[in-house]
Amino acid sequence: DAGVIQSPRHEVTEMGQEVTLRCKPISGHDYLFWYRQTMMRGLELLIYFNNNVPIDDSGMPEDRFSAKMPNASFSTLKIQPSEPRDSAVYFCASSLEQRTDEQYFGPGTRLTVT
Amino acid sequence: GNSVTQMEGPVTLSEEAFLTINCTYTATGYPSLFWYVQYPGEGLQLLLKATKADDKGSNKGFEATYRKETTSFHLEKGSVQVSDSAVYFCALSDRPGNQFYFGTGTSLTVIP
Repeated sequence: DAGVIQSPRHEVTEMGQEVTLRCKPISGHDYLFWYRQTMMRGLELLIYFNNNVPIDDSGMPEDRFSAKMPNASFSTLKIQPSEPRDSAVYFCASSLEQRTDEQYFGPGTRLTVT
Repeated sequence: GNSVTQMEGPVTLSEEAFLTINCTYTATGYPSLFWYVQYPGEGLQLLLKATKADDKGSNKGFEATYRKETTSFHLEKGSVQVSDSAVYFCALSDRPGNQFYFGTGTSLTVIP
């Protein structure tokens, strides 16, 4: 299996622009997680889905952030408008219903907002 | 609430030295405990896990024992290698399907 795929790997954008991060989970996995990693705050869970339905979005920092999962093989995390403090590495992870204790992480998207 | 506290880094060791990275947790129930590893430029990978008290997780020479009485899950390796250089995260999940709580990560550098 190709593993969790994220795109782009690197994104540099200017403050105020819209940013869309993409994730393709491992085929057959029921859960999908979006995390943000910064030096200051470590690894934070933003939102997670089960069978394409958002279960807990309490980690989404503010209304500028939104996430969707239109089907089992694709999810997006959108930031509009972006701000410099959004600069971070964003990870997507997926897991099986029966093995939710093992999350498989993608390589991450490094976002820089100038 | 649930939380994980792990020792501050960075940690620098010589090859073949003994490694301990401390991790303690707070949980409302009976969580499963994990160690994840992040190699440079990559996502996190599950290193080992333990699902109940006194269980020992092990993988690639790393070990950690679930200690309920001390609410700890310390990571150990008897002889580290340069290839073990990475960031190590302790984590807990208090029930299947629920979110993970990660520690802040401990950076390990092993020098030849």
